Amino acid sequence: AQSVTQLGSHVSVSEGALVLLRCNYSSSVPPYLFWYVQYPNQGLQLLLKYTSAATLVKGINGFEAEFKKSETSFHLTKPSAHMSDAAEYFCAVRYSSASKIIFGSGTRLSIRP
Amino acid sequence: EAGVTQFPSHSVIEKGQTVTLRCDPISGHDNLYWYRRVMGKEIKFLLHFVKESKQDESGMPNNRFLAERTGGTYSTLKVQPAELEDSGVYFCASSQVVGTSGRDEQYFGPGTRLTVT
Repeated sequence: AQSVTQLGSHVSVSEGALVLLRCNYSSSVPPYLFWYVQYPNQGLQLLLKYTSAATLVKGINGFEAEFKKSETSFHLTKPSAHMSDAAEYFCAVRYSSASKIIFGSGTRLSIRP
Repeated sequence: EAGVTQFPSHSVIEKGQTVTLRCDPISGHDNLYWYRRVMGKEIKFLLHFVKESKQDESGMPNNRFLAERTGGTYSTLKVQPAELEDSGVYFCASSQVVGTSGRDEQYFGPGTRLTVT
């Protein structure tokens, strides 16, 4: 079955430290890949998406993700965490245009002062 | 441009009651999706409308759930009768044109938090 695995349901980093949120997908065909963020009391917001144009994808708020086909991974990174990055992050895949999105279980990111 | 809106933002009902959730997509978006997140688990797909037609309803959990999109604009999701396991956050999303690069991004609403007691 098609699935998305996010390692770590909760990640805590210090302000200014590197943020690394891990995501692996199961598929024989490179899909569309996404990272969404949900801030407290808000809806899901698209951070970035991979659509086969480039393996390193830059998103909003200084986040980026690298698609590695050999590792079936799409890890999310940010060089320097900010307090405002505290939120829940979801890795997701889609296998064709306009089809359903399959989400990972989410990683809650906490930032320590 | 207004985003996807959902009503109500929060609903608390008793087991056995009926609840209707509403989603207003972004104007002009033909595709409308329903998802839900139950008890901190992953967000799961429920169904997909293209205009007023159900394109994919493979995620609907059982026949207590009924989704409609009359006229191809807003959509409703009715749960009747509600059970405890239906508690969770129900998200709606919409997208524009099928198969057009860069225009099929799904925009999500803020969700409706449903609590069944």
